[in-house]
Amino acid sequence: ILNVEQSPQSLHVQEGDSTNFTCSFPSSNFYALHWYRWETAKSPEALFVMTLNGDEKKKGRISATLNTKEGYSYLYIKGSQPEDSATYLCARKGTNAGKSTFGDGTTLTVKP
Amino acid sequence: SAVISQKPSRDICQRGTSLTIQCQVDSQVTMMFWYRQQPGQSLTLIATANQGSEATYESGFVIDKFPISRPNLTFSTLTVSNMSPEDSSIYLCSVDARTGSSYEQYFGPGTRLTVT
Repeated sequence: ILNVEQSPQSLHVQEGDSTNFTCSFPSSNFYALHWYRWETAKSPEALFVMTLNGDEKKKGRISATLNTKEGYSYLYIKGSQPEDSATYLCARKGTNAGKSTFGDGTTLTVKP
Repeated sequence: SAVISQKPSRDICQRGTSLTIQCQVDSQVTMMFWYRQQPGQSLTLIATANQGSEATYESGFVIDKFPISRPNLTFSTLTVSNMSPEDSSIYLCSVDARTGSSYEQYFGPGTRLTVT
């Protein structure tokens, strides 16, 4: 994998459903993996920063895992709510300090 | 953490004109980053702006098209020059700021540019 890839591109779920997205990235020269939530007309909001293989982070109903050896991260949302509707971006930071490469994002729509 | 503001929040510009976007941070930071998101595409880094030196541009971006200023540690501008419809994008500035024991990346609210 040369670029940061996210799947699916978009997702429509019903309120209360649990869902997950995937972020795949080059595993070499890895420094950190970031997840963001980006709502329309707002700034991207940082959700998690993960650096170590096997890292798991949780914030409320949202959690994320990291596998640096195989180059992927999962983001999970438990019991989706309409306010979770947003685009979720992942970004890989390599050993070049300060540079992040973003995926195209997964756009989640939660229907009431 | 860092709070970032951008001006303007949106603009509609004519082909061939230039627009300067301002980015203000509430704390001193070494590096500021300028990104754009073209419709349907991912965030793409345009350049990194360091105070006191010329900006470093990513492949595909040049100073003549996107001149950047960085007069101090809290402020930067990005100019989109000689605009064409292909420049219609969201432009965001961003900084890394320390949060606890790690650094997180913070973004401004973006400037939505439409070129007609």
